[in-house]
Amino acid sequence: QERLVQSGAELKKPGASVKVSCKASGYSFTGYYIHWLRQAPGQGLEWMGWINPDSGGTNYAQKFQGRVTMTRDMSISTVYMELSGLRSDDTAHYFCTREEMGVRRYWYFDFWGRGTLVTVSS
Amino acid sequence: QSVLTQPPSVSGAPGQRVTISCTGTGSNIGAGYEVHWYQQLPGTAPKLLIYSNTNRPSGVPDRFSGSWSTTSASLAIAGLQADDEADYYCQSYDSSLRGAVFGGGTKLTVL
Repeated sequence: QERLVQSGAELKKPGASVKVSCKASGYSFTGYYIHWLRQAPGQGLEWMGWINPDSGGTNYAQKFQGRVTMTRDMSISTVYMELSGLRSDDTAHYFCTREEMGVRRYWYFDFWGRGTLVTVSS
Repeated sequence: QSVLTQPPSVSGAPGQRVTISCTGTGSNIGAGYEVHWYQQLPGTAPKLLIYSNTNRPSGVPDRFSGSWSTTSASLAIAGLQADDEADYYCQSYDSSLRGAVFGGGTKLTVL
């Protein structure tokens, strides 16, 4: 069955970087965009950007441009999200999710990873 | 401050019907971009509940329904059950921001 398996929780110091992975299985890896979103404790959902696993093309939310990098390794059906210059307000659960590729984009997310808690603290 | 506006909370007794509104602007819902709804149970990842304004993914009960008008959308939940207690989020695409945008979430309490 379809799975998006994320890497484990991370504890980072301010100023450091974190790299979270999301391994896809059970479906066509190149048939879906992978999006990254985050949710700070007790807060709502915030979209960070997407990667096209087929082409490697990316698009990032303006808020994160310059700090976020999304990459993929097609040999192991895994995408990565790296966030640099971490601050305490980057403490959040980070989710990967997918959007089906098609003739047009609908921008809904039909399957989600369980999330990775990233804690930024000195 | 979320781009889409939802009420922070709604409540209802078991068996009742509740609705959650989602208001946007001319660069998202008002521009014709579809609205999607997610249910997030405590401590879990969001789950797609309604896509493209009115469609239910396989496995979502027909107690959940979506509607849409010019610059707003609504999620209706009929026959409330205790395990419907969750946070509900609306989401769309925004052409000015060129990405996905969300409402702030609505906490549903089943009395």
